[in-house]
Amino acid sequence: QKEVEQNSGPLSVPEGAIASLNCTYSDRGSQSFFWYRQYSGKSPELIMFIYSNGDKEDGRFTAQLNKASQYVSLLIRDSQPSDSATYLCAVNTAGGFKTIFGAGTRLFVKA
Amino acid sequence: EAGVVQSPRYKIIEKKQPVAFWCNPISGHNTLYWYRQNLGQGPELLIRYENEEAVDDSQLPKDRFSAERLKGVDSTLKIQPAELGDSAVYLCASSADTTDTQYFGPGTRLTVL
Repeated sequence: QKEVEQNSGPLSVPEGAIASLNCTYSDRGSQSFFWYRQYSGKSPELIMFIYSNGDKEDGRFTAQLNKASQYVSLLIRDSQPSDSATYLCAVNTAGGFKTIFGAGTRLFVKA
Repeated sequence: EAGVVQSPRYKIIEKKQPVAFWCNPISGHNTLYWYRQNLGQGPELLIRYENEEAVDDSQLPKDRFSAERLKGVDSTLKIQPAELGDSAVYLCASSADTTDTQYFGPGTRLTVL
């Protein structure tokens, strides 16, 4: 079992729809969770982080965390073609000493 | 505020040759990371520095890879000798401390022929 798992996609959604990206992790003691966006040929850039169970909203983005289920998700509302990218889930393990990245989910937003 | 700076951006070498990558983190960031990212994969940590101390190098192939962070600021990652399987993007990232958000540099795309 991989430490951080994501569906590789591609996930294809029409413009204006909600894109839902999911991530599961194996270390139950993990403390902090991050979503990065990576455009082709570019480096990852942080979209959101979340530490507590529940939802955290920032503009069109909502991160959801369920520690009991070891599950974190990212919702993108009103998806735009410019959102087309690979979304990386990253998890800081217990103690925050190590960051493990998932392989990423490719999102394609059709105009 | 300037971001993480890396050089070179691209490097093409023949196998068995040495290569070095340089990273300048965001000013004031104590923690520096080197990652390797293969195509279609997420970044994989090679080494993490707290100031000038390497505190996690468990994934660094020490037979051919070495790294240093002099004076707790800039860092250099070296491969000697390079192998075909080393072709990847090498990313440097920095954060204010270990648990804080990481900011990535543009990366160095290495091709080993």
